[in-house]
Amino acid sequence: DAGVTQSPTHLIKTRGQQVTLRCSPKSGHDTVSWYQQALGQGPQFIFQYYEEEERQRGNFPDRFSGHQFPNYSSELNVNALLLGDSALYLCASSFLDEQFFGPGTRLTVL
Amino acid sequence: GNSVTQMEGPVTLSEEAFLTINCTYTATGYPSLFWYVQYPGEGLQLLLKATKADDKGSNKGFEATYRKETTSFHLEKGSVQVSDSAVYFCALSPGGTSYGKLTFGQGTILTVHP
Repeated sequence: DAGVTQSPTHLIKTRGQQVTLRCSPKSGHDTVSWYQQALGQGPQFIFQYYEEEERQRGNFPDRFSGHQFPNYSSELNVNALLLGDSALYLCASSFLDEQFFGPGTRLTVL
Repeated sequence: GNSVTQMEGPVTLSEEAFLTINCTYTATGYPSLFWYVQYPGEGLQLLLKATKADDKGSNKGFEATYRKETTSFHLEKGSVQVSDSAVYFCALSPGGTSYGKLTFGQGTILTVHP
């Protein structure tokens, strides 16, 4: 059984560009959450998707948006990239209880 | 709002030493508490959890007890190994409609020398 997978592994963008990150949840999991982990910090909750709708949201601007597809996979979109958006973006999937994390996508904004 | 505070790091120990990583939290209601571990180049892995006061979570020799009176969830291991070298995160998940929205501490880097 494959765990949570994320793509791409690494990404380099320039300021002002837009980026899309992708996540495939663990089999049987219907809820996907996204986190931002800056270097040397703990992950910060961005938002959570369930049944193709955003169920909860953390303190992130509207430049951060997402989507969940009928197969429960999810995308994270970030518009108008800033240098401060450089971080490891983690996806976590869950079904009722424990969250399982993917390996993350390392985004570098130049 | 909810918050988690971990002891300042990094922590450097010799193999077979005793480990304690302190974690305190602030939350309303009755949160669930977690310890996650992150090995180099990998995602977060759940190490252990506790869902109510006085519960003890344990896994791979690690233990932590949910202490509501001191709002703490300290991680302990009696004898660390080199393979335990990683970053450890304490986290909480509030109950009710915010279930699953994890709040993490800043992480503690553990290095174990042979």
